[in-house]
Amino acid sequence: NAGVTQTPKFQVLKTGQSMTLQCAQDMNHEYMSWYRQDPGMGLRLIHYSVGAGITDQGEVPNGYNVSRSTTEDFPLRLLSAAPSQTSVYFCASRPQGSNQPQHFGDGTRLSIL
Amino acid sequence: GIQVEQSPPDLILQEGANSTLRCNFSDSVNNLQWFHQNPWGQLINLFYIPSGTKQNGRLSATTVATERYSLLYISSSQTTDSGVYFCAGGLIGTYKYIFGTGTRLKVLA
Repeated sequence: NAGVTQTPKFQVLKTGQSMTLQCAQDMNHEYMSWYRQDPGMGLRLIHYSVGAGITDQGEVPNGYNVSRSTTEDFPLRLLSAAPSQTSVYFCASRPQGSNQPQHFGDGTRLSIL
Repeated sequence: GIQVEQSPPDLILQEGANSTLRCNFSDSVNNLQWFHQNPWGQLINLFYIPSGTKQNGRLSATTVATERYSLLYISSSQTTDSGVYFCAGGLIGTYKYIFGTGTRLKVLA
């Protein structure tokens, strides 16, 4: 059981480049979300989805786009990377509507030069 | 917005010592969880504990939802317990989660 899989694990971009961070889960979870973690801080919610075709903004959505075409996949897009987006990105999933914990991927460490 | 305060922010222990970590929420939350972020950056789910008490080996957690706090107890600490401990909760009526800023624990051999 793979759980939540994030790719790539590491990435370096130049300012202005675009990038898609991939997230896939094999647990048939309806709810998926993206967080960023900056040094010395907790995680902050970027975007989330409660099912295929449904997405919404979290606490820090600016500069990021998401879509949810399947239950399994929830990619995060940076259209024009900025140094302020240097961070570690985590994807999570859980069943919707039930009292269940979130499961996290191992993270993607992204550096914008 | 809702605030999540964790205390202490930093903690150094000798191996074998016990400790209590606290998480306070400024407003009610649901789906409260405790995580351990290991030195490799992985987030490990320790407890899903919206209320009550749970135990798992040397770790236990208690959430008093009516008073908006949760406690994580670590007994007989080991060097492998080092890392950052986060609590997180769901904002009621939404699908949004909020994390605390963490307690950084270092256990010395």
